[in-house]
Amino acid sequence: EAEVAQSPRYKITEKSQAVAFWCDPISGHATLYWYRQILGQGPELLVQFQDESVVDDSQLPKDRFSAERLKGVDSTLKIQPAELGDSAMYLCASAGSSYNEQFFGPGTRLTVL
Amino acid sequence: ELKVEQNPLFLSMQEGKNYTIYCNYSTTSDRLYWYRQDPGKSLESLFVLLSNGAVKQEGRLMASLDTKARLSTLHITAAVHDLSATYFCAVDYTGANSKLTFGKGITLSVRP
Repeated sequence: EAEVAQSPRYKITEKSQAVAFWCDPISGHATLYWYRQILGQGPELLVQFQDESVVDDSQLPKDRFSAERLKGVDSTLKIQPAELGDSAMYLCASAGSSYNEQFFGPGTRLTVL
Repeated sequence: ELKVEQNPLFLSMQEGKNYTIYCNYSTTSDRLYWYRQDPGKSLESLFVLLSNGAVKQEGRLMASLDTKARLSTLHITAAVHDLSATYFCAVDYTGANSKLTFGKGITLSVRP
């Protein structure tokens, strides 16, 4: 069964360091999402791609976060510099149908010390 | 701004009994999704509700959508321990680009 892949699964870093997360969506899915989920909350959208283009990054803290999907397939989310408040689960999801059903990857648990 | 509210936020359920949880949203939408999340895990898609009056059932769970009331319900029949998890509803606020707004989630705990 096709799945969304993410790595690493866990990341511990010190504040002010740079971190990067990778996501490989389900094959053929044109739409890719990055979410941040703080413990006890629902996921919040950071950025949405349609193929290689960003269609919504209104909630992305652009002073420290960046995201790219250069070839319209896999994607990287970067944080530089990391802050204590960035500790969260970072989820990637992809969608391939007009119904926008999103399939989530296993997530990357980030801890900033 | 679309707001999605779920209640209650926590529900302790007794095995074998029936329960209903709710998801309200503030803006017109006819696409609503239910997800399940186990502790420390990712989100698993449960139901996709795409029109007013839509009803989907899977095992002991049944979800419905009333777009006029802006309300979705998730009904649990004869709760079992395996249903213990956090359940999120998400609404597709369809503008130029479809995206989901999630509620805070409802944590269900089934006790013997």
